[in-house]
Amino acid sequence: EPEVTQTPSHQVTQMGQEVILRCVPISNHLYFYWYRQILGQKVEFLVSFYNNEISEKSEIFDDQFSVERPDGSNFTLKIRSTKLEDSAMYFCASSVGANTGELFFGEGSRLTVL
Amino acid sequence: AQKVTQAQTEISVVEKEDVTLDCVYETRDTTYYLFWYKQPPSGELVFLIRRNSFDEQNEISGRYSWNFQKSTSSFNFTITASQVVDSAVYFCALSEPGNTPLVFGKGTRLSVIA
Repeated sequence: EPEVTQTPSHQVTQMGQEVILRCVPISNHLYFYWYRQILGQKVEFLVSFYNNEISEKSEIFDDQFSVERPDGSNFTLKIRSTKLEDSAMYFCASSVGANTGELFFGEGSRLTVL
Repeated sequence: AQKVTQAQTEISVVEKEDVTLDCVYETRDTTYYLFWYKQPPSGELVFLIRRNSFDEQNEISGRYSWNFQKSTSSFNFTITASQVVDSAVYFCALSEPGNTPLVFGKGTRLSVIA
């Protein structure tokens, strides 16, 4: 069964460092998303991406965040200068269509900022 | 604005008991989608079901069943004859048509004790 894959599964970084989280969405999917889950809390939307541009973003997705689809397969989330409060599980998701029909989530990348 | 409320933070049951997880939602749209996701201890988000607002038929899948009641804006999830492997955090989520992000509830942590 096709799946969304994310790397790394866990990253530890120092405050102020740049981090790139990588995702390989399902190959025929056109819509891509990043969500975040701070430990023990609910899953929160960060950004959606379609046709090589951001289609929607939340208040959390400020200037220190960026997304990119550098080639035909990867979808990356970059955090420019990490803060302690960026420590969370980051989930990538993809879907075939625009109706958020059935999002397929990756297994998540746990980011720990020290 | 969309909102999903899962009033039960934690539930603990003994194996083989039935358990119902509550979900109440708010939306101004007449067309919307409701979802349940399972997050086992390993951390990934596993899609369980999607329901659109025009389909109020209840659904059963093995030991899982879902009761959608538009009149009370609820989309409750019942696990029959619970098993230890059902122990997880369960999230209810809502989205509106178009490429709109999923809005998640805070989740209900289910512990099934042998």
